[in-house]
Amino acid sequence: KAGVTQTPRYLIKTRGQQVTLSCSPISGHRSVSWYQQTPGQGLQFLFEYFSETQRNKGNFPGRFSGRQFSNSRSEMNVSTLELGDSALYLCASSTGQIPYEQYFGPGTRLTVT
Amino acid sequence: AQSVTQLGSHVSVSEGALVLLRCNYSSSVPPYLFWYVQYPNQGLQLLLKYTTGATLVKGINGFEAEFKKSETSFHLTKPSAHMSDAAEYFCAVTPPYGNNRLAFGKGNQVVVIP
Repeated sequence: KAGVTQTPRYLIKTRGQQVTLSCSPISGHRSVSWYQQTPGQGLQFLFEYFSETQRNKGNFPGRFSGRQFSNSRSEMNVSTLELGDSALYLCASSTGQIPYEQYFGPGTRLTVT
Repeated sequence: AQSVTQLGSHVSVSEGALVLLRCNYSSSVPPYLFWYVQYPNQGLQLLLKYTTGATLVKGINGFEAEFKKSETSFHLTKPSAHMSDAAEYFCAVTPPYGNNRLAFGKGNQVVVIP
């Protein structure tokens, strides 16, 4: 099976702009979760989508949003970018059922200048 | 809320020596436990997991971990370190009911000394 793919791998944006990141999960997986990784805060959960519905949400401002399509592909959007949004954004794919084993993509490195 | 503690952000180990990375969790019920490894410029790769059953679990690349409920621990070990083990290691937990949200520790950067 093909693994989790994320596009683009690298992105440079300016403060105030918005950005959309994409994630394609493993075939047959219905759950996609998003995580933010920074040197200061480590790995933090953003949200999870399961069968096109947001099932869990982390403690991030409303500028961070996501959606999932009927083919389980997911997008994450960040509006009004801030310098602190610079991070590695990781997508994780799972069946969505216990024991919730998650498989991660290579990530998108976002730099905000 | 669940949390994970990993002590010692950087861990140096000699090639051929024991690798020991400590993980303690805080949870009202025994969670599901995971160890992930991250190589530079890559995502996370699952090393091993504990859900139920045998408390000593074996993973990939010669790693294993033991779940000790009384100590709320899930330490990761490998008998003999290889140069290829140089990476960052993360312990993570998720509750065993209706929640697919991983809570991660801060990670251990492992350096292998030849």
